[in-house]
Amino acid sequence: DAGVIQSPRHEVTEMGQEVTLRCKPISGHNSLFWYRQTMMRGLELLIYFNNNVPIDDSGMPEDRFSAKMPNASFSTLKIQPSEPRDSAVYFCASSMFQSNQPQHFGDGTRLSIL
Amino acid sequence: EDQVTQSPEALRLQEGESSSLNCSYTVSGLRGLFWYRQDPGKGPEFLFTLYSAGEEKEKERLKATLTKKESFLHITAPKPEDSATYLCAVQRDTGRRALTFGSGTRLQVQP
Repeated sequence: DAGVIQSPRHEVTEMGQEVTLRCKPISGHNSLFWYRQTMMRGLELLIYFNNNVPIDDSGMPEDRFSAKMPNASFSTLKIQPSEPRDSAVYFCASSMFQSNQPQHFGDGTRLSIL
Repeated sequence: EDQVTQSPEALRLQEGESSSLNCSYTVSGLRGLFWYRQDPGKGPEFLFTLYSAGEEKEKERLKATLTKKESFLHITAPKPEDSATYLCAVQRDTGRRALTFGSGTRLQVQP
């Protein structure tokens, strides 16, 4: 079975550039989560969607961050403009909202902003 | 606010030396407590979900237990391939479905 697929796996870019991270959830899952992992703060939720609708974006750091889910099989997380403090590993996870199934994670995008 | 605290931060064991990892939590109504394993460069991999105090789950050398305030991940006769970071997370029973994670325990098992 295909798991959660994230791209790119690594991204290195200069401060001020726009960054777009992509996620394909597990087929049939209707909840999608974006997390960020850093050494200082661990894994933190940024935003999650239910049936393609954003439910909780309280973890989005500021207006430079935006996320979309145009359909059930694709989501993007965009940072514009990027800053060095955005450097982290960004994970996408998906699950079935109604069931007791756990969230399944992709292998993340390691983002470095120079 | 939900809080998850894991201890120790790091643990080094000899192969075959059993031990336990601790996860203390506070949450306004627990829907589930989750254990994940994370290898370097990978995303967290699901291990267990525990729903109520007294529940236990087992998988190979791992056993997870749950009380009203904490969970333990017991590792029996570990092998080097058990080396990883183990993450604990809680999910509320109403509203927010996202997980609140602890900072993890880095386990190293030496041959």
